Amino acid sequence: SQQGEEDPQALSIQEGENATMNCSYKTSINNLQWYRQNSGRGLVHLILIRSNEREKHSGRLRVTLDTSKKSSSLLITASRAADTASYFCATGAGNMRFGAGTRLTVKP
Amino acid sequence: SAVISQKPSRDICQRGTSLTIQCQVDSQVTMMFWYRQQPGQSLTLIATANQGSEATYESGFVIDKFPISRPNLTFSTLTVSNMSPEDSSIYLCSGGQQQETQYFGPGTRLLVL
Repeated sequence: SQQGEEDPQALSIQEGENATMNCSYKTSINNLQWYRQNSGRGLVHLILIRSNEREKHSGRLRVTLDTSKKSSSLLITASRAADTASYFCATGAGNMRFGAGTRLTVKP
Repeated sequence: SAVISQKPSRDICQRGTSLTIQCQVDSQVTMMFWYRQQPGQSLTLIATANQGSEATYESGFVIDKFPISRPNLTFSTLTVSNMSPEDSSIYLCSGGQQQETQYFGPGTRLLVL
């Protein structure tokens, strides 16, 4: 069964705007990972955040983790059309449980 | 990081036949896994591929339907047996060290007619 839920399920924004996606999970975790998937292709790893970390950055990506609320968020700043993809959060040590994903569309 | 390749990248198969998917990692990894992604859905874990021993299957997946091999720390295969149209999905393998980043292969897109 799915471990978490992402919201929104779909998000449509204009190029240059910021996109925020949220992920909630149900059990305690050691880490949480965010992935991007373009149109049914393989998953690209974005960020791993550990349970003792609250925030992590990578380029235009910012991930936060609130273990008390069992939630995480992914912020993409200054979005580009190339950011159009599905974004998933996943928890687990390797045998991961994935959320349903957020379908992000960035309009040029 | 680890680079993972899969073969074949896609296939069209007849019902009742079997397909074996190969997953190769460019470095030794402790963990390897197989996932299924049905059309328009998220990923569902099929099993943990254990090196030198039987795979550990998730609820709803059985060895007779999805036999898995993992002869070493860089290679695994997943067979989809006695296929039906409901098996049409993308099959992905992943690998990495425990509690570390898990990397994914590009996926195998399977269509069963």
